[in-house]
Amino acid sequence: KNQVEQSPQSLIILEGKNCTLQCNYTVSPFSNLRWYKQDTGRGPVSLTIMTFSENTKSNGRYTATLDADTKQSSLHITASQLSDSASYICVVSAHGNNRLAFGKGNQVVVIP
Amino acid sequence: DAGITQSPRHKVTETGTPVTLRCHQTENHRYMYWYRQDPGHGLRLIHYSYGVKDTDKGEVSDGYSVSRSKTEDFLLTLESATSSQTSVYFCAISEALSRDSSTDTQYFGPGTRLTVL
Repeated sequence: KNQVEQSPQSLIILEGKNCTLQCNYTVSPFSNLRWYKQDTGRGPVSLTIMTFSENTKSNGRYTATLDADTKQSSLHITASQLSDSASYICVVSAHGNNRLAFGKGNQVVVIP
Repeated sequence: DAGITQSPRHKVTETGTPVTLRCHQTENHRYMYWYRQDPGHGLRLIHYSYGVKDTDKGEVSDGYSVSRSKTEDFLLTLESATSSQTSVYFCAISEALSRDSSTDTQYFGPGTRLTVL
């Protein structure tokens, strides 16, 4: 069973609109959660990282939230741009372990 | 791509042939990883290295071997390629900044698309 579940699997949004992506995880003991952005044909690039004590982190128009009690995270994209079209991958780490648990990604398509 | 190159970027081969993929880094990071990415799956760890000549298996290591003779190079070998190994392969690196390496950010290369016919 995958330890990281993301929803929705894919979505299409109009340029300029906001959207929110969801991530639920079961990884334990929890160390940190990252959101990566993966453009088509490229490797993933880290957007944000949050540890247990952090409940929000921003990177430009991207804002990630974390609720470690319910083991949920979200990534909010504000005023979407065409360049936001990508897959957004939720990645969770456990303490004492450099192995990562990857979600399958949220595929976002921004249309003009 | 954080000083990481992968070669080749694309390869088509036939079942049963050996294939070697190369990952090269210029960051002098201690850890290097090989992942595969397939539709319907998250990235899955094949093997990783925590130093020269120090490697360990990941969750999908069957049919793959690795070698790291220099800090900057990490090779992934498919001894006898099968169609199930058709995938996009990503190399990643991380620097051991903390005792708990779970906090280290992994930086990914551009990927190698491998097709096994």
